[in-house]
Amino acid sequence: DTGVSQDPRHKITKRGQNVTFRCDPISEHNRLYWYRQTLGQGPEFLTYFQNEAQLEKSRLLSDRFSAERPKGSFSTLEIQRTEQGDSAMYLCAGTRQETQYFGPGTRLLVL
Amino acid sequence: AQTVTQSQPEMSVQEAETVTLSCTYDTSESDYYLFWYKQPPSRQMILVIRQEAYKQQNATENRFSVNFQKAAKSFSLKISDSQLGDAAMYFCAYRPWNSGNTPLVFGKGTRLSVIA
Repeated sequence: DTGVSQDPRHKITKRGQNVTFRCDPISEHNRLYWYRQTLGQGPEFLTYFQNEAQLEKSRLLSDRFSAERPKGSFSTLEIQRTEQGDSAMYLCAGTRQETQYFGPGTRLLVL
Repeated sequence: AQTVTQSQPEMSVQEAETVTLSCTYDTSESDYYLFWYKQPPSRQMILVIRQEAYKQQNATENRFSVNFQKAAKSFSLKISDSQLGDAAMYFCAYRPWNSGNTPLVFGKGTRLSVIA
């Protein structure tokens, strides 16, 4: 167990709806990453927080995506106006001693 | 841009035997980290082993060991005495050394099956 939790574990939504995912790292994780993993692929970087500051977003993160990490603790990832192409596993990871520890992920299915 | 290549989409091994998973990477950096992660079906991705590029000695964790060839940019994972619980997707990942924003770059993974 890495100590990183994510909620919900599964989400089914209709195209056009908004969804929000939550990640709770352990307290030592000052850096927090979001990745997206599609079937048959390795995770791809979405965005990154150093404490509460969002320092970088990848080109994969369109304007429909927004992430926050208030008070440098838990983080949320929101997708607005979901599209079928958003269907994927969304992973978060906390960093300790230069190693990333992953949560169980949220699997999103957009119908 | 850094890339990680895992040339074996699928591998299988008999229980108690040894298997080696391949990984190559491309980078112009001299200092970096390399990782192997294991992702069992519908379960959490967990760290298997980590290697710092400046270390000449290959990392070992119990039945898991790596063969790190820096000049060849190769980082293979050897699993000895394979167990049924080793069945999973295995991802090789790279990260530069610097302390700023350094997300992991992953390969596409190798699916390992263990045959009883």
